[in-house]
Amino acid sequence: DQQVKQNSPSLSVQEGRISILNCDYTNSMFDYFLWYKKYPAEGPTFLISISSIKDKNEDGRFTVFLNKSAKHLSLHIVPSQPGDSAVYFCAASFTPSGNTPLVFGKGTRLSVIA
Amino acid sequence: DTGVSQDPRHKITKRGQNVTFRCDPISEHNRLYWYRQTLGQGPEFLTYFQNEAQLEKSRLLSDRFSAERPKGSFSTLEIQRTEQGDSAMYLCASSFTGTLTYEQYFGPGTRLTVT
Repeated sequence: DQQVKQNSPSLSVQEGRISILNCDYTNSMFDYFLWYKKYPAEGPTFLISISSIKDKNEDGRFTVFLNKSAKHLSLHIVPSQPGDSAVYFCAASFTPSGNTPLVFGKGTRLSVIA
Repeated sequence: DTGVSQDPRHKITKRGQNVTFRCDPISEHNRLYWYRQTLGQGPEFLTYFQNEAQLEKSRLLSDRFSAERPKGSFSTLEIQRTEQGDSAMYLCASSFTGTLTYEQYFGPGTRLTVT
C-alpha cells in the first residue's frame, strides 16, 4: 500500500514555462512534506519543504503548495530550465518526535526541453 | 563540511559474500538513516539512529541486514550472504533534531551489484 503517490512517471516542459509536479498521500498523520531532486548516479538533493500548518512555501523558482483536505501537494518550478531535468521525489514524514524516516513516492522524471 | 559521504560508491560482489558499506554524516547531525532504492522506485527506509542508539530496525529487509553506529558518528550497513535481489542503491542520510525543520540530507549512495 503506497502512502505517497506520484501518478505521473514523466513530464516534458519547454524551457521558460512552468513545470507542475503532483503528489498525493493517503496517511493523514503526515505533517511534513519534502521535495527532492535526483540526478542519475547521485543521491537525492533536498529542494523545498512544507509543514502541514502552511499551504504554501516559496524558495526562488520553486514553490510548494499543500492542500490538506485533498491530501495533495504540488511543486511548481518557474521558469523551468534545462538543468532542472531530473527525477523529482515527493516525501512525507510524521514529526511529533522530530525527524522521522521519510516515505517517498516513486518519482516523476522531468525533462525540460530547450 | 562537504556533506554526507558514502564508501564505496560501487560494489560488485558474488552471491553469498558479505558486504559492508560506510556512511559519514554531516558532522553536527545526530540522526542517521539508511534507505534502499531499486529501479523505478523511491528510496525505501531501512533503519535509523539517533547518536549511537538504533531507533528503528524492524524495516531491515531480513536478518541478513544489520547496521551499527558505534560512536554516534559514522555508520556501517552490513549485508551477509548476499542475494541477487539485494542489488540496489543504498543511500545514507543525516539530519539534526535541534531545529523546527526536518530535512534529511543524502549522500551519493553505494551501488551494489550481486552477480
